[in-house]
Parts: sequence; C-alpha cells; structure tokens
Amino acid sequence: LAKTTQPISMDSYEGQEVNITCSHNNIATNDYITWYQQFPSQGPRFIIQGYKTKVTNEVASLFIPADRKSSTLSLPRVSLSDTAVYYCLVVRTDSWGKLQFGAGTQVVVTP
Amino acid sequence: KAGVTQTPRYLIKTRGQQVTLSCSPISGHRSVSWYQQTPGQGLQFLFEYFSETQRNKGNFPGRFSGRQFSNSRSEMNVSTLELGDSALYLCASSDPEDEQFFGPGTRLTVL
Repeated sequence: LAKTTQPISMDSYEGQEVNITCSHNNIATNDYITWYQQFPSQGPRFIIQGYKTKVTNEVASLFIPADRKSSTLSLPRVSLSDTAVYYCLVVRTDSWGKLQFGAGTQVVVTP
Repeated sequence: KAGVTQTPRYLIKTRGQQVTLSCSPISGHRSVSWYQQTPGQGLQFLFEYFSETQRNKGNFPGRFSGRQFSNSRSEMNVSTLELGDSALYLCASSDPEDEQFFGPGTRLTVL
C-alpha cells in the first residue's frame, strides 16, 4: 500500500482556512484517499474520502490532482474545536477494513 | 443509530494476566476491525473480522486473538500481558467496502 507523508504539525488561528497536504507517490489505481480526525483519547472520525478531482462535504474539502500523487485536505474557517490530529490514509478497495495509519498532522488552533 | 460501543472503557491488569475486550458494532455492520494505539507506535491494525471469519491480520504476536459472533459483536483477547501492551484499543465497524466508524476505545493499563 502507498506510504503517506504529511506534516507533523500545523498551527492556525480561529477563522482561518487550514490546508494539509499529503504525499502518496506510489498510489495504485484501485486506491482511495481518506482522511480521519482524532481527538485525544477518542477513536478516529471519518472526515472525507475521494478518488480524484475535488470532493466537498459539510466539514471539509479534498483536492486531488490528476496524477493523484498528493492530496490536500482543506478545513474552512477553523475553530478551537478543530484542534486534533488529522490522518491521511490510502485505502485499497479490497482492504477497507484494514486501515494503515501514519503519524498524522497535529493541528492546533488558537484564538 | 447507536454508535460503536466498547466495554470496558478502562481496565487495569498485571503482567502475565489475560484480558478480553468487547465491541458491539453499529447495527447492520458486518465488518469489525481492531486497532492498538500507543504513543510510540501510533495506530496499528490488529485484525479484521467479517461474518465470523478473520479476513485480515496485522503484524502482532499470537498472544493477540479475536473472534466475531453471529450477531457481529466481536471480542479480542490478549494473553500473558506485557507492560508494552498498555494502550488504547480501538474497535471499528463498517459495511463492507465503506468507511469505518470507530468506538471510544478501551484504555488498558498493564502494571
């Protein structure tokens, strides 16, 4: 499965947009890009998933270029409650139940 | 719909003992996966069960085992506990080929 690389940490102020870029150079044709959010001592929570181009839901947007070797999670107008660890994962269609997490990106939002 | 539930939420054991953790998936979900999270190793996949059969297995010793019942509820067992088994154990359920929903976890402390 493709290895993912993302920044270890990012700081932001309330109300700003946060963009987290994830690199997955060896992504395969049947792989999807998935993002999870985790607060301390809680289970991860699914944020968004995509295959190519752009996906948007009520929480975030996911931008995937044509070569699919990277992706960017965009969190609009963050609040203090968005402080969490964000994980970028590559998920193979025959391994949905076997997620491989990296170190994630610690996002800290301050007033 | 009720979310994924895990019991107990907290557990303290001593080295050499064994422990059983329980997971009740979201109603209708047939896939249950287990993960271990530690500060040093991060989130690691243990195993996945689907229709009472182990479908995927992570790289953990045989002391870690699991099973799934006909109602999709799952248990994981760790025998001969070691200090390094102290972790947050997370269970996740899903429809096949869909996003995983995580439970709150069981915090295991081995003394």
